[in-house]
Amino acid sequence: EAGVTQFPSHSVIEKGQTVTLRCDPISGHDNLYWYRRVMGKEIKFLLHFVKESKQDESGMPNNRFLAERTGGTYSTLKVQPAELEDSGVYFCASSQYNAGRIYGYTFGSGTRLTVV
Amino acid sequence: AQKITQTQPGMFVQEKEAVTLDCTYDTSDPSYGLFWYKQPSSGEMIFLIYQGSYDQQNATEGRYSLNFQKARKSANLVISASQLGDSAMYFCAMRGDGYKLSFGAGTTVTVRA
Repeated sequence: EAGVTQFPSHSVIEKGQTVTLRCDPISGHDNLYWYRRVMGKEIKFLLHFVKESKQDESGMPNNRFLAERTGGTYSTLKVQPAELEDSGVYFCASSQYNAGRIYGYTFGSGTRLTVV
Repeated sequence: AQKITQTQPGMFVQEKEAVTLDCTYDTSDPSYGLFWYKQPSSGEMIFLIYQGSYDQQNATEGRYSLNFQKARKSANLVISASQLGDSAMYFCAMRGDGYKLSFGAGTTVTVRA
């Protein structure tokens, strides 16, 4: 089966511009997560979708970040307008949930975002 | 709140030797899961091993084993017979009551020939 796919792998944008990151989870995985690692810091949770619904968005840093998951399939994370501190690697992960037990998380390769 | 601590920013290990990566955690959740991930230079996060808080035995997956000491709140990863391809950053992570993972700062392992 195909893994979690993220696009683009790298993005360099100017401060103030908009960038949209995309994540295609493993087919059939209802749970989709976004994480990010800014330079020198730990990997931090951003938000969690269950199908198309936002289950937990407590990690979203501010309202410049907008995540969507249309139809419960792929997800997008838009940053508008981008700031320098948004630079980092954005990871997407998906997992399967079954009868009270969540199985392993599969991560994508990440999108390296550089804001200049 | 959950916290994962990895105190070793970087380690060197000789090929074919074993290496232990430290991980301590703090949580008030009675049920939790502990994970180790490998991130090679290519960037992807590769799942290595999982330990549930109620598991009686330490988890093992091939050359990877997890030394789980619940009372000490530690979940150290042991890589046996290190290979050059093991050079990567390794992250310890924990899932508590919710579904999100909390990560440690990571440990960079460099395997020397």
